[in-house]
Amino acid sequence: NAGVTQTPKFQVLKTGQSMTLQCAQDMNHEYMSWYRQDPGMGLRLIHYSVGAGITDQGEVPNGYNVSRSTTEDFPLRLLSAAPSQTSVYFCASRSQGSTDTQYFGPGTRLTVL
Amino acid sequence: AQSVTQLDSQVPVFEEAPVELRCNYSSSVSVYLFWYVQYPNQGLQLLLKYLSGSTLVKGINGFEAEFNKSQTSFHLRKPSVHISDTAEYFCAVSGPTKFYFGSGTKLNVKP
Repeated sequence: NAGVTQTPKFQVLKTGQSMTLQCAQDMNHEYMSWYRQDPGMGLRLIHYSVGAGITDQGEVPNGYNVSRSTTEDFPLRLLSAAPSQTSVYFCASRSQGSTDTQYFGPGTRLTVL
Repeated sequence: AQSVTQLDSQVPVFEEAPVELRCNYSSSVSVYLFWYVQYPNQGLQLLLKYLSGSTLVKGINGFEAEFNKSQTSFHLRKPSVHISDTAEYFCAVSGPTKFYFGSGTKLNVKP
């Protein structure tokens, strides 16, 4: 049981490049989400999904796209990277009901030059 | 809507001293409450959670938190901290579709 996995761990992009951050979970959770973490700003929700085929925007969705074709995978796409997207990105999945808990991946540190 | 306030951005403390990290929340509905810990260059790890039942919750590494509904607080405590407790701590509440996080408290344990 690997929990929540993210790839890559580190990435450097040039302004305007696109890329996909991968996230997968093996706990059969319906709910998954993406956060970005910036110094002094805590965690900010980018997008979330309550099940395959269903996604919604969080606090800071601009510049990011998501899709959820399977329960396991929830990739985050940067369409045209900007320096303001330099951050650490965390994917999380959530068990709901009486065991409500969110589990985090190890993070992807992204630098946009 | 829910929100979480962590009143202290940084808390310095000497090793073996007690510590309290403060968390207040606002919500119009019943919520579940959580504390997560983030060690340097790592992801967030669940420290403890309150879902129901006893208002005093014990977590990993000797931490505990008390849910106080009247004061809408969920403060985290440890009677004697260790150098290895140096980390950032996040309080969170869960809503139907989202988790709401506080801005974090950096605990710096000094020898």
